[in-house]
Amino acid sequence: DAGITQSPRHKVTETGTPVTLRCHQTENHRYMYWYRQDPGHGLRLIHYSYGVKDTDKGEVSDGYSVSRSKTEDFLLTLESATSSQTSVYFCAISESGLAGPGELFFGEGSRLTVL
Amino acid sequence: AQRVTQPEKLLSVFKGAPVELKCNYSYSGSPELFWYVQYSRQRLQLLLRHISRESIKGFTADLNKGETSFHLKKPFAQEEDSAMYYCALRGGATNKLIFGTGTLLAVQP
Repeated sequence: DAGITQSPRHKVTETGTPVTLRCHQTENHRYMYWYRQDPGHGLRLIHYSYGVKDTDKGEVSDGYSVSRSKTEDFLLTLESATSSQTSVYFCAISESGLAGPGELFFGEGSRLTVL
Repeated sequence: AQRVTQPEKLLSVFKGAPVELKCNYSYSGSPELFWYVQYSRQRLQLLLRHISRESIKGFTADLNKGETSFHLKKPFAQEEDSAMYYCALRGGATNKLIFGTGTLLAVQP
């Protein structure tokens, strides 16, 4: 498995509280991604990063922010969690850009429950 | 807009039967298509990509630009093929992968 770790792996929180999920990689890959996985929706891209301090929005970015201050860490923050953000969150990394094979390596996922 | 459609939420077949997991896409340019698989209690992982034209674990997928499809096929299903399968599209000046909603394949003994 690629060196990707997500923390926490499980979290239960209450509506209105801030939550931060961390993705840490040891592969020195340039690209990092946050997806959420929901039944009937599959995997949807929240935000992604193409370098330190370089990020962009995905399909479902409302209510989420990200930061990448160093290559190995990509943080996903829910400023004020809502029940609709109950989901399993996956971090992924990719070595290559447009010219590359495009393979993503995924973390094990973080299950977030917002009560 | 880029879109990936997997019309079947669940596909149940018997061991030894042929399998076809459907994937259709919407994209105006030249897409790159992938199949990812998630086995129980394992990480999501790449199964195959159309540019490689490879067969992995007996699975193949051919990109049909006329029908905008990238169906995943295997002639004889095995119980260990039971998993969630996602079709994904990459296109345009981006390194984003857009995933479909997934199809759960259940291979019965």
